[in-house]
Amino acid sequence: GNSVTQMEGPVTLSEEAFLTINCTYTATGYPSLFWYVQYPGEGLQLLLKATKADDKGSNKGFEATYRKETTSFHLEKGSVQVSDSAVYFCALGSGSARQLTFGSGTQLTVLP
Amino acid sequence: GAVVSQHPSRVICKSGTSVKIECRSLDFQATTMFWYRQFPKKSLMLMATSNEGSKATYEQGVEKDKFLINHASLTLSTLTVTSAHPEDSSFYICSAKGGTPETQYFGPGTRLLVL
Repeated sequence: GNSVTQMEGPVTLSEEAFLTINCTYTATGYPSLFWYVQYPGEGLQLLLKATKADDKGSNKGFEATYRKETTSFHLEKGSVQVSDSAVYFCALGSGSARQLTFGSGTQLTVLP
Repeated sequence: GAVVSQHPSRVICKSGTSVKIECRSLDFQATTMFWYRQFPKKSLMLMATSNEGSKATYEQGVEKDKFLINHASLTLSTLTVTSAHPEDSSFYICSAKGGTPETQYFGPGTRLLVL
C-alpha cells in the first residue's frame, strides 16, 4: 500500500537559517504529492503540491520537487522566519477519491 | 480560500455516551468529505471517505458501527462516536474536497476527551 516517511522532528532553527525536511514515499501508480502546514491551534493548510514527476511546487518561499527516481519530495526554504514555526506534513494523494496518506509530521520551531 | 468548519471544537463526555461532530463546507459544495483521526505527535490516519447521498467507505480496522458517518447534504457531514470509551479520546479532523483546481480543505479539528 501507500506510505509516506517523513523526517522526524522536532527541528529547531535560528531565523534566516536554511530548512530541509525530508520526505520519501511508496506508492503504486502516479500519486500527487503535497506539503501541508498546521499552525498552532489551526487546521491543516495546503502549502504546496506537485502532480507529476519533476514538477516543483512552491509557495511562501518554500519549494519541493517531485523526484520519481528517488521517490522523494523534500521541503526546502532558504531563509526561515519565526512565523514559519508549525508542524509540516508530507502527504500523497491517490485513488479515484484522491485519499491522502500522511507522513508523521515534523515540528519546526524557529528562534529569533 | 475555501473554508471548512467543525463543531464542536472541543468536547468532554462520559464513557458510554455518544458524541456527534459536524463538518461543514462554508463556501463550496463538497461531494466528498474525509474523516481523520490524529493521535498526539502522530500523523493523521484516514478513517473514512464520506460521499454525499451514499454510505461511507471505511478504512481497514475502523469500526463502522462505532464511528457512524452521515453525509446528508453537499455541505455537511457528521461523525458520531457511539458508546464512547476513553480510548476514543483523540483529535478528529475532517476535510472536504472541492474548489478549482480541486483541493482538500481541512477543518480545524475537534478534540474529544472521554472520561
